[in-house]
Amino acid sequence: EIVMTQSPATLSVSPGESATLSCRASQSVSDNVAWYQQKPGQAPRLLIYAASAGATGIPARFSGSGFGTEFTLTISSLQSEDFAIYYCQQYDSWPPITFGQGTRLDIK
Amino acid sequence: EVQLVESGGGLGQPGGSLRLSCATSGFTFSWYWMTWVRQIPGKGLEWVATIKEDGSEEYYVDSVKGRFTISRDSAKNSVSLQMNSLRAEDTAVYYCARNQLFFDYWGQGILVTVSS
Repeated sequence: EIVMTQSPATLSVSPGESATLSCRASQSVSDNVAWYQQKPGQAPRLLIYAASAGATGIPARFSGSGFGTEFTLTISSLQSEDFAIYYCQQYDSWPPITFGQGTRLDIK
Repeated sequence: EVQLVESGGGLGQPGGSLRLSCATSGFTFSWYWMTWVRQIPGKGLEWVATIKEDGSEEYYVDSVKGRFTISRDSAKNSVSLQMNSLRAEDTAVYYCARNQLFFDYWGQGILVTVSS
C-alpha cells in the first residue's frame, strides 16, 4: 500500500498571500496524484489531477506540480473561500487508492 | 448537471446490515466506473470500493472485503453498497463518487452510525 504523507498538518496564511502544501508518496506514483479541497459539512471537490492538470471550473490560482514521490499544491493570492482542508490522493498503484491525512489551511 | 444523491444511511447494529444507494443523473452512467469513499467525522478520507462501468470488476479496501458488496443498476443509473457484519469502525460519512482513479463528482454524503 502506498502511503501519502502531507505536510504541514496545519498552515496559517494571510489572505492575499500564497500557500504551498506538500505531499510525499512512500514510493513513486509517477504523476498519478490528485488534490481535493474540503470545506466543513461539504463533500471533497477535485482541484487537480495528473499532478498538475486543473479540474473543470477550478480557478487558475490553484496549481499543482511534482513527479515521483514529491508533490506540491500552490494556492496563490489566497481568497477567503480557500481556507479549508486539502487532501492529496494517489491512483498509480491500486487497490487500494490512498489519500493523505490532510492539511488544514487556516486564516492567519 | 451531474448529480449524485446518497440514501439509506442511519443507525445500524453491530453485526447487522445496511444498504446505501446513490442515484445519479446528468451523465451517461454506463460510461463510468463508480466508487464509494468514507470519512470518519473529523478524520480523513478512505477509499472503500469501486465498480467497473459494466459491473464486471469490483475492488475493495481490505477492511471491508467479505462484508461489503458494491453493485450497480444501469436501468436506474444507481450504485449501491451492501454493508453486512457491521462494526463500530464502519461509522462514517459515506460518499459515492464518479470514476475509479480520481473523483470528479461526489454526492453530499450520508452518515452511517454503527452502535448498539
